[in-house]
Amino acid sequence: QVQLVQSGAEVKKPGSSVKVSCKASGGTFNSYAINWVRQAPGQGLEWMGGIIPIFGTTNYAQKFQGTVTITTDESTSTAYMELSSLRSEDTAVYYCARSSYFHDGSGSYYVSGWFDPWGQGTLVTVSS
Amino acid sequence: SYVLTQPPSVSEAPGQTARITCGGNNIGSKNVHWYQQKPGQAPVLVVYHDSDRPSGIPERFSGSNSGNTATLTISRVEAGDEADYYCQVWDSSSDHRGVFGGGTKLTVL
Repeated sequence: QVQLVQSGAEVKKPGSSVKVSCKASGGTFNSYAINWVRQAPGQGLEWMGGIIPIFGTTNYAQKFQGTVTITTDESTSTAYMELSSLRSEDTAVYYCARSSYFHDGSGSYYVSGWFDPWGQGTLVTVSS
Repeated sequence: SYVLTQPPSVSEAPGQTARITCGGNNIGSKNVHWYQQKPGQAPVLVVYHDSDRPSGIPERFSGSNSGNTATLTISRVEAGDEADYYCQVWDSSSDHRGVFGGGTKLTVL
């Protein structure tokens, strides 16, 4: 049974960066993709991007291109999400979630499938 | 970009059937996944691939998908089903990006 455990809450100043971790246990880290989803206070879920650890391939939502970097450390089965140039609007709970991936038949791999399980969430507060 | 539309709220009495819709252009051609989120908790997968249920999810939860609408159906609604529900697909037209619906608050009367 795969479990995803995230790092603790963070308080950051506007303009700074935050790096949230997501450690997987109980499964084969390289067999799946890891996604990051955020939820602003009182709002819905927003997919930020994902990574396929075995290939290092990333997909990002257009909104987060250039400000989000998703990486993995296979030696510790940990995924990371770094968000830079923080603004107050980035105050949210950030979740990691496992999914599958697929090959498009022409050499590219993409994150896909359903999100299960999810990490417990990490609250990031951006405030001066 | 691909847009999923959900009603903000649905209300149903205990024992009745609640239906939560998720609208999208030709959504019937996509795989739709549904999540339940209770206050202060992480989302939980309740239906995947339109109508499959993960282990541990009651048979009362079912899904369908056709045309421009996917539907999550909760039969014999219980107080414990009160939560926010989100649909999710992948938008293959834009370099394969994840898309969530805006969420539906299910209130059990």
